Amino acid sequence: DAGITQSPRHKVTETGTPVTLRCHQTENHRYMYWYRQDPGHGLRLIHYSYGVKDTDKGEVSDGYSVSRSKTEDFLLTLESATSSQTSVYFCAIGEGDRSHGYTFGSGTRLTVV
Amino acid sequence: GENVEQHPSTLSVQEGDSAVIKCTYSDSASNYFPWYKQELGKGPQLIIDIRSNVGEKKDQRIAVTLNKTAKHFSLHITETQPEDSAVYFCAARAGGTSYGKLTFGQGTILTVHP
Repeated sequence: DAGITQSPRHKVTETGTPVTLRCHQTENHRYMYWYRQDPGHGLRLIHYSYGVKDTDKGEVSDGYSVSRSKTEDFLLTLESATSSQTSVYFCAIGEGDRSHGYTFGSGTRLTVV
Repeated sequence: GENVEQHPSTLSVQEGDSAVIKCTYSDSASNYFPWYKQELGKGPQLIIDIRSNVGEKKDQRIAVTLNKTAKHFSLHITETQPEDSAVYFCAARAGGTSYGKLTFGQGTILTVHP
């Protein structure tokens, strides 16, 4: 989607290795979010950021960490990948409680073998 | 925290028919309810939204209704077309300072048969 880019688009990694997914935005939005999408669960919030260096946990944060050193970049790290973290990961940007929802990236399909 | 339930999980209709997807939410303070459409291999896209001070909103063939008393909201698509086939998600935003966080339903796979 225009203004938000996720990389990589696809990744296969081995159990126990660290993995970092990147979300880059050019919209200068304050808020950024990481979700995972799994069949039957919809989209579940992993972590979110409400400003540079300001982050907090979502509902499924175990095994994940995030960093935001610049407004435009929000990184999601799987510290030691497990098969249960095989999923499609979406980044979203927004303007908080007064916004009209999010704009989502195109997603990263991660497979942990 | 907020919990959103979405039904049905799959919906199959003939072209030209109407489709209705329903969601319930748990937090009575929730005040914003968007709907997203996700096509294969893409991220979800906002198609319509409604705020808690409005009961109904329409945009061409799609409409959303909100019943705050019953804590449910619905998406209505009329005159369905094959290009409406996609996964649809409802979501809710809690009231107060929520940092814009949305809680999503489980999704509905809509298939429109020509």
